[in-house]
Amino acid sequence: GAGVSQTPSNKVTEKGKYVELRCDPISGHTALYWYRQSLGQGPEFLIYFQGTGAADDSGLPNDRFFAVRPEGSVSTLKIQRTERGDSAVYLCASSPSGEGTRDYEQYFGPGTRLTVT
Amino acid sequence: GENVEQHPSTLSVQEGDSAVIKCTYSDSASNYFPWYKQELGKGPQLIIDIRSNVGEKKDQRIAVTLNKTAKHFSLHITETQPEDSAVYFCAATPHTGNQFYFGTGTSLTVIP
Repeated sequence: GAGVSQTPSNKVTEKGKYVELRCDPISGHTALYWYRQSLGQGPEFLIYFQGTGAADDSGLPNDRFFAVRPEGSVSTLKIQRTERGDSAVYLCASSPSGEGTRDYEQYFGPGTRLTVT
Repeated sequence: GENVEQHPSTLSVQEGDSAVIKCTYSDSASNYFPWYKQELGKGPQLIIDIRSNVGEKKDQRIAVTLNKTAKHFSLHITETQPEDSAVYFCAATPHTGNQFYFGTGTSLTVIP
């Protein structure tokens, strides 16, 4: 079946602008995660949704970052007043949380490469 | 919080040889340990995982071992092939729904 999809694949924006990054999880997956990956590093957690609600947003670096998942499926990560330090690959993952032995597994999308100039 | 360390950061092996990547973790509550393969320009792909109630798991040429007492786990790839070349990440998490804590990655190159 279809995997996790993310759009756009690449986004170049100017410092100070607002951006939105979209994630379409695997159909039926109730849990959704956002991670940020800097060059040469492992993914770092940003926020986790269970259904429509943010169950854990402890990884969001500051209040310029915000994410929503209004209908429990698609999620949007929003970054206000972008800074050059926000440049990274933003990864989305979904999980069949609650389905017995598979509930730990997280499946990642291809990511959105954000470049702030 | 959890701290996952991974080594080596780079690894080169001849085709057909074995490759071993090691990770340590700090939180004794962690009970799920996945391994991901990431190719250039792509997202991480889950290749194998292990839970804390199991000491070893194998899937064809890939195996993972876990030592809960020492808080370390390892990925073993046998009979390596050029298509195994990628960056490999280990991760740990204490329970369902929680974030994954990733290592810093190992860039594996398999030389034909």
